[in-house]
Amino acid sequence: EAQVTQNPRYLITVTGKKLTVTCSQNMNHEYMSWYRQDPGLGLRQIYYSMNVEVTDKGDVPEGYKVSRKEKRNFPLILESPSPNQTSLYFCASSLGGVNTEAFFGQGTRLTVV
Amino acid sequence: AQKVTQAQTEISVVEKEDVTLDCVYETRDTTYYLFWYKQPPSGELVFLIRRNSFDEQNEISGRYSWNFQKSTSSFNFTITASQVVDSAVYFCALSEAGLNRDDKIIFGKGTRLHILP
Repeated sequence: EAQVTQNPRYLITVTGKKLTVTCSQNMNHEYMSWYRQDPGLGLRQIYYSMNVEVTDKGDVPEGYKVSRKEKRNFPLILESPSPNQTSLYFCASSLGGVNTEAFFGQGTRLTVV
Repeated sequence: AQKVTQAQTEISVVEKEDVTLDCVYETRDTTYYLFWYKQPPSGELVFLIRRNSFDEQNEISGRYSWNFQKSTSSFNFTITASQVVDSAVYFCALSEAGLNRDDKIIFGKGTRLHILP
């Protein structure tokens, strides 16, 4: 089954404790991206990747890192999480870049206390 | 810079009524794509439609239809004979495709639609 898989689905952590949210897709898509969803703000793009070893900032990259060492994986790293990073996070992939249909993961609800 | 405005934060209609969700966009690019995504109460995001800037034909898919008007920079979404299963948050999005594009996508803030039985 074609899918984008994020883990974990739910995470509660403390301020400053490094964490990684994993994202994997099995569709051989080149474009992958991360979003955060906050009430009243909609979806905002954090980082995106056009292909292996190619990543770039979205609109809200501060406090996040990503890597794309393999085509299928695109982890989101929070080196020192803060409470303002409490949010619902989505990973997505698409075959032909940002201008094609995106397939989203199930979401990760992160709470930083 | 690109921008997407969904002015309707929340809409409630009674089942079987028609409802239109508005989307207004801004872009300097002449080549761009517009999207609609649905987020039902279960939380996942589901693609509904993609339209490129050169195709102004309206699209109909069952009870769903989309009206793209470049003259007003709008890409509105209409649900005919709404059903309770249509209750969701709907997002409009824009990506630019010209030579100077930045490969980003901008989403609107979403419209929460309640269909009342």
